Amino acid sequence: AQSVTQLGSHVSVSEGALVLLRCNYSSSVPPYLFWYVQYPNQGLQLLLKYTTGATLVKGINGFEAEFKKSETSFHLTKPSAHMSDAAEYFCAVSRRTASKLTFGTGTRLQVTL
Amino acid sequence: DVKVTQSSRYLVKRTGEKVFLECVQDMDHENMFWYRQDPGLGLRLIYFSYDVKMKEKGDIPEGYSVSREKKERFSLILESASTSQTSMYLCASSDPLAGGPRDEQFFGPGTRLTVL
Repeated sequence: AQSVTQLGSHVSVSEGALVLLRCNYSSSVPPYLFWYVQYPNQGLQLLLKYTTGATLVKGINGFEAEFKKSETSFHLTKPSAHMSDAAEYFCAVSRRTASKLTFGTGTRLQVTL
Repeated sequence: DVKVTQSSRYLVKRTGEKVFLECVQDMDHENMFWYRQDPGLGLRLIYFSYDVKMKEKGDIPEGYSVSREKKERFSLILESASTSQTSMYLCASSDPLAGGPRDEQFFGPGTRLTVL
């Protein structure tokens, strides 16, 4: 079975500050890992994904995440927050790409002036 | 661009009604999924389908059924709606043979269902 834990249901940062959203996973097979973003009243949009290869993954809107097998983590970062980054972020794991996803409970990011 | 559409953005039904949520994708994807989203619980998989007329239960199938008669359409059915099924429902599709940047699930905008 696979599972995802997102630490912190709400994170607040100042505009221009570092964004760090935490994700830890559990998987009995090599995982495929994803970060999705959901803006208000919209569906989910893929930010980035890790399948194989390079462990540092760059995504859209300046976000990146690093797969650390030893720590079973896939934390999402962005060097400088922007007001437009305010949204809910979901970490997810699957056994292979295009397959069913197991999601974390989500982290709502608030960006303040 | 891949487009996943859901028949309604908002839906209000009464307890005991039979409810149909429709999802259509336009990219000839083989895989389709239904999730429900609840605050503090994230998204949970209800049912999924890897091909026409095929379906598999997800993590929370109780009280739901699905239908996939055509490749592009995946319907979620609430046989007898209950207040506990008030939620946001999200449909997604994916191509298991896709590679590179197209290798992901694409989500529809969601249907917010309220059962009174």
